[in-house]
Parts: sequence; structure tokens; C-alpha cells
Amino acid sequence: DAGVIQSPRHEVTEMGQEVTLRCKPISGHNSLFWYRQTMMRGLELLIYFNNNVPIDDSGMPEDRFSAKMPNASFSTLKIQPSEPRDSAVYFCASSRTGGQQPQHFGDGTRLSIL
Amino acid sequence: QKEVEQNSGPLSVPEGAIASLNCTYSDRGSQSFFWYRQYSGKSPELIMSIYSNGDKEDGRFTAQLNKASQYVSLLIRDSQPSDSATYLCAVVESGGSNYKLTFGKGTLLTVNP
Repeated sequence: DAGVIQSPRHEVTEMGQEVTLRCKPISGHNSLFWYRQTMMRGLELLIYFNNNVPIDDSGMPEDRFSAKMPNASFSTLKIQPSEPRDSAVYFCASSRTGGQQPQHFGDGTRLSIL
Repeated sequence: QKEVEQNSGPLSVPEGAIASLNCTYSDRGSQSFFWYRQYSGKSPELIMSIYSNGDKEDGRFTAQLNKASQYVSLLIRDSQPSDSATYLCAVVESGGSNYKLTFGKGTLLTVNP
């Protein structure tokens, strides 16, 4: 079975540019999570969706960040405009709904903002 | 703010020894707990889940949970150099239909040949 698929794997862009990260969850999983990982702050939840509906976006750092899930098999995380402090590894994870369901992570997008 | 605390390490053990990784959490209502392994430059990989007090064994791994003490641990028996990685403790927040995971910052384990 295919795992969570993220693209791109690496992104290097200049400050001020728009960045779009993409995620395809595991088929049959109806919860999707976006995380950011840095050395200083560890793994932080940005937003999560249940059945394509955003449930909790309290982790989104500011209005420059937005996320959408137009259907069950696709989600995007957008940063506009990007800043150097946004440099991090961004992970997407998915799970079946339920507190006992483990989350499965994609390979991540390593984002560098110059 | 719900917190998950882990010793950052590094924890260094010789090959063949038992590695013990510890985690405490602040959310007394939490019911589900996970251990993830993350190799350098890779994504977190689920290795254990535990939901009830006591021990749960899977191969060389044993997870231990004590909800009264708000403590969860991971033991790795017969440690191998391939076990060298960062181990992340994750706790599902309690309350309603909340499926949020709070992660600790991880413990770096090094197994020396």
C-alpha cells in the first residue's frame, strides 16, 4: 500500500515568494495533519482536518500560512509571503479517525527560505 | 498548554544492552500513547502504541504505561547499532473528538558497537 506522499521533497526559494506544499494521504484515512519540525521547537502540529474539514488550526503561526483539503486525497499548505524563519521540515501525516489510531507520516518537505 | 517531556539525551548504550527511554505528560485525561523512531533526515516511524496500564511487548521493544504517574517508557532489549535514532513520545490529547498528538522533543539514542 502506498504511504503518505508529499511533494516537493526539497524546496529552496527566496524570501517573499509563495510556497505550496502538497500531500496525498493514505487511501481510507480520513484525518490529515500538517506538522513543522525544527531543532529548536521539535515537531509542532500546525493544522488538522477530519473528513476534509479543518478541525483545529491553532498551531498555524500567522496569517501567512493557509491550508486546504479540497477532497479526501489531496491537501495543500501554502505560505505567502515566505520568510527565512519559515525554514523547516514540513511533514504531512494521516490516520483513520479515532484517538487510538496512529498517525503515519510522509517523507516531509525540507523548506529553505533564503 | 499540554506538555510531553523527554530527556533530550544523548543516551549512549553498548551493543547488546537495554536502552530505557522515558516520557512524562501533563494531560491527566490522555488515553493513547505512541512511540515513534526518527532516523536522521527521515520521517517519524511508528514503533509502538499503548493504551492500558502495564507492559506491552513487541519483539525487542517493550512499552510501559503508568497513568497514575503520567509516565510512559520504552525499553529496547539487545540494542543494535541500527537502533541509533531519535525516539519521540507522542500523547493523544483528551477531550471530545480531539485527535491531536502532542510530541516530546525526542531522546537521541546512540548504540555503540
